[in-house]
Amino acid sequence: GAVVSQHPSWVICKSGTSVKIECRSLDFQATTMFWYRQFPKQSLMLMATSNEGSKATYEQGVEKDKFLINHASLTLSTLTVTSAHPEDSSFYICSATGGNGNQPQHFGDGTRLSIL
Amino acid sequence: GENVEQHPSTLSVQEGDSAVIKCTYSDSASNYFPWYKQELGKRPQLIIDIRSNVGEKKDQRIAVTLNKTAKHFSLHITETQPEDSAVYFCAASSGYGQNFVFGPGTRLSVLP
Repeated sequence: GAVVSQHPSWVICKSGTSVKIECRSLDFQATTMFWYRQFPKQSLMLMATSNEGSKATYEQGVEKDKFLINHASLTLSTLTVTSAHPEDSSFYICSATGGNGNQPQHFGDGTRLSIL
Repeated sequence: GENVEQHPSTLSVQEGDSAVIKCTYSDSASNYFPWYKQELGKRPQLIIDIRSNVGEKKDQRIAVTLNKTAKHFSLHITETQPEDSAVYFCAASSGYGQNFVFGPGTRLSVLP
């Protein structure tokens, strides 16, 4: 089946650091990728939707200058958390889908981000 | 926008009993309703889904029912086993590959 690889799986860094998370579709072309954030014991909340070659669409309340999303190819999207602070500590999960909205979504394994 | 509610937030059942989790949604344009199982620190895993043109779908011990008029759908797990213990999320979407709006989740504990 379709595989989405997310890297790194776990990162711990100091406050003020920028962190990049990669999401790759390994065996299909991901025309659309979604980035979700999940705080402990809470649900997944959509942060942004990215389409290959276009600017990402951010959900209300998500700062686009803080969470930089790049979807430069059909197999790779990156999320960069700039100047991360402890309140950004969370579980970040990407999902990817191909086709024109007629293909199922496949989730990555997630990245646990801890900011000290 | 879409709003998905889910009940109960926690559910404990004895092994072998059935478990039912209910969700409601607000946007009548939603037409795809997946259910995910998530274990601690892991990715959500799709366990069953249903489209709005179907009222019920079953896969072994798991079934989902949809009442589009009332805008609610339910997950039914029969003959529960300890390995069914996890957090379950329902979601609603306007399409198969569109962004999901997730419910708040139900923590299911199956007691041996």
